[in-house]
Amino acid sequence: EAQVTQNPRYLITVTGKKLTVTCSQNMNHEYMSWYRQDPGLGLRQIYYSMNVEVTDKGDVPEGYKVSRKEKRNFPLILESPSPNQTSLYFCASSGTGSLSGANVLTFGAGSRLTVL
Amino acid sequence: GDSVTQMEGPVTLSEEAFLTINCTYTATGYPSLFWYVQYPGEGLQLLLKATKADDKGSNKGFEATYRKETTSFHLEKGSVQVSDSAVYFCALRNRMFSGGYNKLIFGAGTRLAVHP
Repeated sequence: EAQVTQNPRYLITVTGKKLTVTCSQNMNHEYMSWYRQDPGLGLRQIYYSMNVEVTDKGDVPEGYKVSRKEKRNFPLILESPSPNQTSLYFCASSGTGSLSGANVLTFGAGSRLTVL
Repeated sequence: GDSVTQMEGPVTLSEEAFLTINCTYTATGYPSLFWYVQYPGEGLQLLLKATKADDKGSNKGFEATYRKETTSFHLEKGSVQVSDSAVYFCALRNRMFSGGYNKLIFGAGTRLAVHP
């Protein structure tokens, strides 16, 4: 089944304790992206990657890092989490082709993070 | 900058009622427009899309028409079911700005609750 898999789905942590949220897709997609979802704000892009070793900041990158060493994986790293990073996080991926549907974003199920 | 505005929810309807969720956008150029749906505990799924003015996207009984003159993309369904209860997000993609070619700008989301 074609999918985007995120782990963990739920995490409670404390301020300053480094954590990584993994994201993996099995569709050979070039494009991957991270969003955070907050009440009343919708989803906002954190980082994105156009391909292996090519990453760039989105609208709200502060406090986050990413890497893209392999095409299928795009982990989100919080080096020193703070309470304002408590949120619901989504990873998404898509292809780059021009065929209909090729560049529709597929989302993971989400990772709910609480920072105390 | 580009933005999407959705009607505030929650929207509460009885089964078989008519649904409209308003969405308006601000964008330069010619964005593509999307409706995504998020069922409880799940990630976002593409519901429908439209890529140019006057296009109508449709899926599962839902419809939305890309109206450039009113910068709107309202979601409608003639007869809702309990299974339609979810959060609905309007979004736009504009290749004219950064964030990667597949960056989406989302509205805040509208929660729909349908009762038997």
